[in-house]
Amino acid sequence: DIQMTQSPSSVSASVGDRVTITCRASQGISSWLAWYQQKPGKAPKLLIYAASSLQSGVPSRFSGSGSGTDFTLTISSLQPEDFATYYCQQANSFPVTFGGGTKVEIK
Amino acid sequence: QLQLQESGPGLVKPSETLSLTCTVSGGSISSSSYYWGWIRQPPGKGLEWIGSIYYSGSTYYNPSLKSRVTISVDTSKNQFSLKLSSVTAADTAVYYCASDGRTWVPQYYYYGMDVWGQGTTVTVSS
Repeated sequence: DIQMTQSPSSVSASVGDRVTITCRASQGISSWLAWYQQKPGKAPKLLIYAASSLQSGVPSRFSGSGSGTDFTLTISSLQPEDFATYYCQQANSFPVTFGGGTKVEIK
Repeated sequence: QLQLQESGPGLVKPSETLSLTCTVSGGSISSSSYYWGWIRQPPGKGLEWIGSIYYSGSTYYNPSLKSRVTISVDTSKNQFSLKLSSVTAADTAVYYCASDGRTWVPQYYYYGMDVWGQGTTVTVSS
């Protein structure tokens, strides 16, 4: 199975800050990585697919990059509605695996 | 647009079988562009993929749950279902169904889990 390791597990940031979350795969997954945002009590929401493609309707302050084993999710200017938990997920092969999550908290 | 809705008992006794159904509306479960997946989230923890099914019936399961999981599809009802046997308190979680977009023609491309159900809480307790 491919293990997905996210870092940091939590980050404190202020509105307007640039936030970067990292996801590392235990083996190469090409570009088959997705990022999700989850708010308390809600289902996850797809932000990025294929490592860098922005899902329709998602603000352009979200961006993804990387290929192979190392990936990043960047929020260019953090907004109040962005405080949430973010997960990466690999789809290069079954079984599908998720990262452990990164909680973005208010500083 | 595509919508998914989970249904099933919210309380299951230990050692019994958890059964959930996901109803797909606004699109066909027989689409060649999707796998249909189950994901769960224990209280205060992260996301765990349980398994996925294609409309043809092809399935993939999480190895850690494989001995207890069965996912099936009913194309006539536009539904897919999850059965998890011999449940314990560790199976208490919010269970989500999701559409898992993939294509293999002309080559593999992954579109992500773009539509999720609202989630249903299942508690295992006597």
